[in-house]
Amino acid sequence: DGGITQSPKYLFRKEGQNVTLSCEQNLNHDAMYWYRQDPGQGLRLIYYSQIVNDFQKGDIAEGYSVSREKKESFPLTVTSAQKNPTAFYLCASNTPGSGSGRGEQFFGPGTRLTVL
Amino acid sequence: GEDVEQSLFLSVREGDSSVINCTYTDSSSTYLYWYKQEPGAGLQLLTYIFSNMDMKQDQRLTVLLNKKDKHLSLRIADTQTGDSAIYFCAVSGGYQKVTFGIGTKLQVIP
Repeated sequence: DGGITQSPKYLFRKEGQNVTLSCEQNLNHDAMYWYRQDPGQGLRLIYYSQIVNDFQKGDIAEGYSVSREKKESFPLTVTSAQKNPTAFYLCASNTPGSGSGRGEQFFGPGTRLTVL
Repeated sequence: GEDVEQSLFLSVREGDSSVINCTYTDSSSTYLYWYKQEPGAGLQLLTYIFSNMDMKQDQRLTVLLNKKDKHLSLRIADTQTGDSAIYFCAVSGGYQKVTFGIGTKLQVIP
């Protein structure tokens, strides 16, 4: 079955610690995205990558870092510089302008990060 | 940049129809989507419509697009308690990133 997996589902972090969230897809999609979701604020784009070894900052990149060494994987590191990291993090992937033309994003199940 | 607006909350009685509305700003938006998010889960694509269409029906779901007013709506017929979720409107130019609305929380009262 093709899909996107995120791990772990729940993550707890002490203040001052870096933590890495995993995102893997086997849909052969070129592009991958990280969003942050807070209550009443919808989805905010953190980083996105349209191709391996390349990524761009989204709207709220400060305090986060990413890498894209493999097509299937797009891990997100929440650094100690992120002042308010408690949120629900969603990973997505797509192939913009693909054969279907739709380009819709497919989402993982999310990781809930809580800072203690 | 693109802006997508939705109301935050909608409450309906079980069996009634629900209508969730969305407005967007970029007239070049080619693809328009509706996603559903259940509590603690990711987003799931419900349906989509191309900008050259006015309406699309898929079982209990009807999507209406008014391109002149840049208005998109999702109608859910015979709303069930299992339809309670957050519904996101999203738009894309196809080769660009998708822009999401803030999400409308649908509450279905038994």
